[in-house]
Amino acid sequence: QQPVQSPQAVILREGEDAVINCSSSKALYSVHWYRQKHGEAPVFLMILLKGGEQKGHDKISASFNEKKQQSSLYLTASQLSYSGTYFCGTEEKGSGNTGKLIFGQGTTLQVKP
Amino acid sequence: DAGVTQSPTHLIKTRGQQVTLRCSPKSGHDTVSWYQQALGQGPQFIFQYYEEEERQRGNFPDRFSGHQFPNYSSELNVNALLLGDSALYLCASSFLNSFRANVLTFGAGSRLTVL
Repeated sequence: QQPVQSPQAVILREGEDAVINCSSSKALYSVHWYRQKHGEAPVFLMILLKGGEQKGHDKISASFNEKKQQSSLYLTASQLSYSGTYFCGTEEKGSGNTGKLIFGQGTTLQVKP
Repeated sequence: DAGVTQSPTHLIKTRGQQVTLRCSPKSGHDTVSWYQQALGQGPQFIFQYYEEEERQRGNFPDRFSGHQFPNYSSELNVNALLLGDSALYLCASSFLNSFRANVLTFGAGSRLTVL
């Protein structure tokens, strides 16, 4: 079952913060976050493997609540380059660590000057 | 180091025809997954190949088939094309890393239009 992302779209000014949420009805082994710009391949941002784990990438960080099957992506002090569509990809427990990801519908982020 | 390369980048077919898409994985990666991405949607898992065999399959009909070669490259074949098969087809390669995780590297995709 496809995870649900919220919000569907967000518009920010440079320097503002944003949070993107991803919620699944399945028990999860991992959550992966990707960013895709128009006409380009999805680009890997980070992976979260354990409950409560947080990871960071520059000013982008994420958390994973294994018990609630939820993950959140935090973008702080947004830059123009952050614009794009963000996807969470969930790997269900029992999938054998194969990297079979089920992606959410995406959250479109637009950062304006 | 070349990443994941896919060919062709764009193609147009008519209903009922067959198409073959190709993918060369990133160096060092042994697993290839195929995804279908409709406009405005997230990628949908088609299937995954590992050790030249289909390891996992998503909810796609048998018209979708694939192959993995000894050099880890892969093909996706779609028979009896339907208008609804029009989409961006993404190939992703990976390997099981020291953290026991497969992190996907995507290619730029093959844009298929069915008329």
